[in-house]
Amino acid sequence: QVQLQESGPGLVKPSETLSLTCTVSGGSISSDYWSWIRQPPGKGLEWIGYIYYSGSTNYNPSLKSRVTISVETSKNQFSLKLSSVTAADTAVYYCASGGDYKPYDYWGQGTLVTVSS
Amino acid sequence: DIQMTQSPSSLSAYVGDRVTITCRASQSITSFLNWYQQKPGKAPKLLIYATSSLQSGVPSRFSGSGSGTDFTLTISSLQPEDFASYFCQQSYSTPWTFGQGTKVEIK
Repeated sequence: QVQLQESGPGLVKPSETLSLTCTVSGGSISSDYWSWIRQPPGKGLEWIGYIYYSGSTNYNPSLKSRVTISVETSKNQFSLKLSSVTAADTAVYYCASGGDYKPYDYWGQGTLVTVSS
Repeated sequence: DIQMTQSPSSLSAYVGDRVTITCRASQSITSFLNWYQQKPGKAPKLLIYATSSLQSGVPSRFSGSGSGTDFTLTISSLQPEDFASYFCQQSYSTPWTFGQGTKVEIK
């Protein structure tokens, strides 16, 4: 059974860069699409972007100028960087397997990131 | 972007009731429609993919149907563990988008 676990700071200052890592266990990262999805408190889900294990990426146009997703196959990890954050970026951030036309079949537990000074 | 609209936003039902949730896309997404269940404080869980395919381990009381722009999720006999929020998601074209969610509460 594939398991995903997000890690990273829970508090980020405005204008700084949010950085999260997702560690995949129970399976190889070198076989699928891997995505980041976020959910502001009490609100719906927003797709941020995905990466294929080969390194190709696809980002939500609404965030594209600020997002970078990368993969480190040797560590079975992929990462999210979101620059120039504001309070509107406060959300629970999930990593998940799937992307492109594939559904999100495995999810991390989610990590709350608050943007505040 | 393709807009996904769910109805109702919330509903109250008894254990044993048949429940139907609707999801409408702003343009045709053929059959690229997935359903997720989310309980408070937890990650979403995939229930149904490609409109009607049941994810492994999901009880058969869950079913999905539809095509084009109109889709439904049906719970044939609501169980206590089914009280949660449900989201549809289109995987037809980027950016992939979700419905706003339907909260199913105990009556």
